[in-house]
Amino acid sequence: DIQMTQSPSSLSASVGDRVTITCQASQDISNYLNWYQQKPGKAPKLLIYDASNLETGVPSRFSGSGSGTDFTFTISSLQPEDIGTYYCQQYDNLPITFGQGTRLEIK
Amino acid sequence: EVQLLESGGGLVQPGGSLRLSCAASRFTFSNYAMTWVRQAPGKGLEWVSGMGGSGGSTYYADSVKGRFTISRDNSKNTLYLQMNSLRAEDTAVYYCAKLRIAAVGPYDAFDIWGQGTLVTVSS
Repeated sequence: DIQMTQSPSSLSASVGDRVTITCQASQDISNYLNWYQQKPGKAPKLLIYDASNLETGVPSRFSGSGSGTDFTFTISSLQPEDIGTYYCQQYDNLPITFGQGTRLEIK
Repeated sequence: EVQLLESGGGLVQPGGSLRLSCAASRFTFSNYAMTWVRQAPGKGLEWVSGMGGSGGSTYYADSVKGRFTISRDNSKNTLYLQMNSLRAEDTAVYYCAKLRIAAVGPYDAFDIWGQGTLVTVSS
């Protein structure tokens, strides 16, 4: 199975801050990497697909980059509504696997 | 608005069975592969199973292979997950999700998710 390792596991930042989350795959997954946001008690929401493509309707402060084994997710200017847990997910090989999640809080 | 609505969760004893349903609306259901993802209480996301749009191809995580069966009825726009020989470690919220573009396998982003249904396996 492909292991997805996210860093950090949690972070606290202030409104307006630039926030970066990294995701490392245990093997080359090309750009088959997606990012999701999950708010407490809610279903996950797709933000970024294929490593760098912004899903329709998602604010442009969210972005993604990377290929191969190393990927980055960025919020350019943190907003209060961005609190939640963020997950990366690979779909290069079965089983589909997710990172362990990064919990984002407002300082 | 494109929507998925799960049902069928509940409390079941270890070794028991349960069938989850996922009703889809406002998109051409048969054109898309679908998938199930679960989340144990306080834990992360775990992919469970996927199925092609035509229903011909199915995929399972090793943790459920041989115990769970995914199926779909395109005439009813509904996805199912039959869960047998349930264990305590199957306790989770189960989400169904639509693949963004893919029609055959789970090789894509999951762009629409249902609200989830809770399955609790306990005596």
